[in-house]
Amino acid sequence: EPEVTQTPSHQVTQMGQEVILRCVPISNHLYFYWYRQILGQKVEFLVSFYNNEISEKSEIFDDQFSVERPDGSNFTLKIRSTKLEDSAMYFCASVNLRETNTGELFFGEGSRLTVL
Amino acid sequence: AQRVTQPEKLLSVFKGAPVELKCNYSYSGSPELFWYVQYSRQRLQLLLRHISRESIKGFTADLNKGETSFHLKKPFAQEEDSAMYYCALSSKAAGNKLTFGGGTRVLVKP
Repeated sequence: EPEVTQTPSHQVTQMGQEVILRCVPISNHLYFYWYRQILGQKVEFLVSFYNNEISEKSEIFDDQFSVERPDGSNFTLKIRSTKLEDSAMYFCASVNLRETNTGELFFGEGSRLTVL
Repeated sequence: AQRVTQPEKLLSVFKGAPVELKCNYSYSGSPELFWYVQYSRQRLQLLLRHISRESIKGFTADLNKGETSFHLKKPFAQEEDSAMYYCALSSKAAGNKLTFGGGTRVLVKP
């Protein structure tokens, strides 16, 4: 069964460093999402991406964040200059709305980011 | 604005006992409601959705628009039901993004 895959599973970085989190969505999916979950808090929407552009972003998704689909398979989240409060689990998700009217999202296992 | 509230952070029940996870939502349009589950060391996965009206792993959830609730129920909890459960809301008007509740951890004791 196809799955969304994410790398790395855990990354430790110094404050101010750039981080790129990678996701490979399910191959026939068209919509891609990033969510994050700070420890002990709820899963929060960051950004959605469709047709090679951002379709919606939350207040959290400020200028330090960017997303890209560089090669037709990977979907990346870049944090340009990490802050301590960026420490969280980041989840990638995808969905194919041609087949799924209800929009069931398929999630990756998450990338844990620790900013020191 | 979309909002989902799960008032219980932890539910601890004995095996065979009923379990009910509460979920309330606020949304002015026509929402679609989901329950997602995350078992230990596994990814978030869909458990059930309100439009399909099905029972998955013995769980059911009924959308009550009058009370804006979508509580999840199971009459006889099993140890393998121990997990984190998230209620979530989506709508086509909101680009199908999911808004999650804070989650409820269910612990089923033998």
